[in-house]
Amino acid sequence: AQKITQTQPGMFVQEKEAVTLDCTYDTSDPSYGLFWYKQPSSGEMIFLIYQGSYDQQNATEGRYSLNFQKARKSANLVISASQLGDSAMYFCAMREGGEYGNKLVFGAGTILRVKS
Amino acid sequence: GAVVSQHPSWVICKSGTSVKIECRSLDFQATTMFWYRQFPKQSLMLMATSNEGSKATYEQGVEKDKFLINHASLTLSTLTVTSAHPEDSSFYICSARKSGLAGGRTGELFFGEGSRLTVL
Repeated sequence: AQKITQTQPGMFVQEKEAVTLDCTYDTSDPSYGLFWYKQPSSGEMIFLIYQGSYDQQNATEGRYSLNFQKARKSANLVISASQLGDSAMYFCAMREGGEYGNKLVFGAGTILRVKS
Repeated sequence: GAVVSQHPSWVICKSGTSVKIECRSLDFQATTMFWYRQFPKQSLMLMATSNEGSKATYEQGVEKDKFLINHASLTLSTLTVTSAHPEDSSFYICSARKSGLAGGRTGELFFGEGSRLTVL
């Protein structure tokens, strides 16, 4: 069964607007972590934001925020004030086992294109 | 942040030859490193978990004799693709997590730049 599901293969957003990238996950482990990574065309993986399963508040990092809805098992990434440099592939990932877990499982990814 | 470096970034080899890819954590120690494989426009698939001083743990379906992993020190893991064939052509990415308490709450993985292998 899919652990991480990203249902949007590709998204377009107008520069300076906000965009939401969807991510749902499946786990029976009460302790887990959710990550978002950005992969530009050059290939490197850039860490964006982290949400722990026990965190009470939604994570935020600059223009990135994570809309964590635990009951729905969703962890959508919101990018505010989109910039041309945000065009990239975005991956949602989950690590089971809480802080001591190791394996990171990735979703299929969403390609984001920011239009000027 | 922390820096993970992969070498080489690009490699082209003939079918039947072996290729070694290095993954180094430059400014931190990593008892565990991970090797991923990524096909164009697809997700990262975990191949194996590399453990310093012990055997790697391979994911189901990954041939351990084909993809040899050695984690000889706390800062270096190597992936050797043996007897490479065109179907082994892919983007290989390593990642590392800081050891112990230095890993922090998130246990964030730091990724190398990736190595693009083309087998002719």
